[in-house]
Amino acid sequence: EPEVTQTPSHQVTQMGQEVILRCVPISNHLYFYWYRQILGQKVEFLVSFYNNEISEKSEIFDDQFSVERPDGSNFTLKIRSTKLEDSAMYFCASSLDGSKNIQYFGAGTRLSVL
Amino acid sequence: QKEVEQDPGPLSVPEGAIVSLNCTYSNSAFQYFMWYRQYSRKGPELLMYTYSSGNKEDGRFTAQVDKSSKYISLFIRDSQPSDSATYLCAMSAVQAGTALIFGKGTTLSVSS
Repeated sequence: EPEVTQTPSHQVTQMGQEVILRCVPISNHLYFYWYRQILGQKVEFLVSFYNNEISEKSEIFDDQFSVERPDGSNFTLKIRSTKLEDSAMYFCASSLDGSKNIQYFGAGTRLSVL
Repeated sequence: QKEVEQDPGPLSVPEGAIVSLNCTYSNSAFQYFMWYRQYSRKGPELLMYTYSSGNKEDGRFTAQVDKSSKYISLFIRDSQPSDSATYLCAMSAVQAGTALIFGKGTTLSVSS
């Protein structure tokens, strides 16, 4: 069964460093998303991406964050200068098209900012 | 007022029990309603989705949506220890690429 894959599973970084989280969405899906989940809290939407453009973003997704689809398979989330409060699980998701908005999630990357 | 509210539990039941999980919401624009299961430190796994109001059944799982009351439910029949997980409700408006808004999740423990 097709699945969303994310790498790395765990990323440890120093405060102020840049990190790139990587995702390979399901191959025929057209919409891509990033969410985060701080330990013990809700899953929160960050950004959605379609046709090489951001289609929606939350207030969390400020200038420190960026997304990119550098090739036909990868989808990345970059955090330019990490803060302690960026420590969370980051989930990538994808959906086939816009008619149903049914999103499938990857296993996540645990980001630890020290 | 929070957009999606979900009792976090924890909820403990014996094997074989019927489990009822619920969420309420405030945004009348929501049209798609999903239930995800999440194991500790793993990604949400889609269990069921429902469009607009009504019921949907899949094996031991039944999802119900009552848009007039802004209330959704997930029922698990004949619960098993393997059902022990956190169950997340999520919902969105119709538009493509729209954010899913999640509840906080209900932690379920099924004892054998």
